[in-house]
Amino acid sequence: DTAVSQTPKYLVTQMGNDKSIKCEQNLGHDTMYWYKQDSKKFLKIMFSYNNKELIINETVPNRFSPKSPDKAHLNLHINSLELGDSAVYFCASSPEREGYNEQFFGPGTRLTVL
Amino acid sequence: GESVGLHLPTLSVQEGDNSIINCAYSNSASDYFIWYKQESGKGPQFIIDIRSNMDKRQGQRVTVLLNKTVKHLSLQIAATQPGDSAVYFCAETSNQGGKLIFGQGTELSVKP
Repeated sequence: DTAVSQTPKYLVTQMGNDKSIKCEQNLGHDTMYWYKQDSKKFLKIMFSYNNKELIINETVPNRFSPKSPDKAHLNLHINSLELGDSAVYFCASSPEREGYNEQFFGPGTRLTVL
Repeated sequence: GESVGLHLPTLSVQEGDNSIINCAYSNSASDYFIWYKQESGKGPQFIIDIRSNMDKRQGQRVTVLLNKTVKHLSLQIAATQPGDSAVYFCAETSNQGGKLIFGQGTELSVKP
């Protein structure tokens, strides 16, 4: 069974559009994350939620708005998409927000903005 | 924003040889380190971790070495196989913060 799942896997859209990426984890973890991976494979955290509460927000433009309806889901909504938003977006989860615990990653969503 | 600078470092090894992937971490306060493997089209996958109170940890065919003096981490893969071909990332965090900071990544290519 998939532990961390994301939909869609691929997303191609025009500049200026609004789009959402969904993430779900069935691991019972308390903390979920969104990461952005650029064309050079650099992986950087964007947001972190613990039990539906925002705990990390890494200077991401406010066009990006995460939403956590419950602790098993963390969705990412992006308004007014720009060319520079093209990247692979990964959702992840971990048992706790602190401490020595690994993060489990989803398969990624490749976003292409034309 | 985008990362800048050099292309992704690459390491090419012959099947059966040992591989060593190096990583310099940035924060002297980091006390927990993880190596991740990312295959093409997939998300990063946990390989092995180490806490700062250790300098070596072994797993199945993998060993992580930590040198806190020079802030250096390495991943050794014994008897490298074609299935080991992937991009490998080191990541650091502290027990106080929870934020995982990833290194640049190294692409390992295994020749049969």
